[in-house]
Amino acid sequence: AAGVIQSPRHLIKEKRETATLKCYPIPRHDTVYWYQQGPGQDPQFLISFYEKMQSDKGSIPDRFSAQQFSDYHSELNMSSLELGDSALYFCASSPLARTDTQYFGPGTRLTVL
Amino acid sequence: AQSVTQLDSHVSVSEGTPVLLRCNYSSSYSPSLFWYVQHPNKGLQLLLKYTSAATLVKGINGFEAEFKKSETSFHLTKPSAHMSDAAEYFCVVSDNLPRGKLIFGQGTELSVKP
Repeated sequence: AAGVIQSPRHLIKEKRETATLKCYPIPRHDTVYWYQQGPGQDPQFLISFYEKMQSDKGSIPDRFSAQQFSDYHSELNMSSLELGDSALYFCASSPLARTDTQYFGPGTRLTVL
Repeated sequence: AQSVTQLDSHVSVSEGTPVLLRCNYSSSYSPSLFWYVQHPNKGLQLLLKYTSAATLVKGINGFEAEFKKSETSFHLTKPSAHMSDAAEYFCVVSDNLPRGKLIFGQGTELSVKP
């Protein structure tokens, strides 16, 4: 079965640089969620989109922005990167009929040097 | 507000013995509860979910969880541990809104000894 696709899987950036993470949801899933998991931490919700509109917002820094496109894929843009942004970033998607179940991608590991 | 508390940060069992990972929840509504597993350097895989249909929920790989409203608990069990079960397990509650965010517990690391 098709799963959530995230790219890149690994990313290394310098402080103050920018990064773009991409997420391709499972086909026919219309809602996308982003989570951040710091080292040894539990995942924390960042932001979600439904039908290309922001659905909910969590503890996402102002330096981060995200959007969902017409093909339902989503991008998380991160600017002025800080050392503390080093984390595993997960994308999840959920289908229209079962909005309470989220399926996660493999994650993008971002390292900021 | 919804929250979950995992009572053990680390559990160690021997292969072939039962597994019990404990989780208590707090919710103003009838909650949607989940267990996810994360193997080292891997993504999050859904083990099982509770959405008020049945209090005993069966998941993948022989895991099951029982929803106990009187105890506000949703403990994860498996009769016989396998080496491949070694991973981080997260108890999760949904925000209880349409397309609501997931709220994770702190995680329990399960070690399985040969």
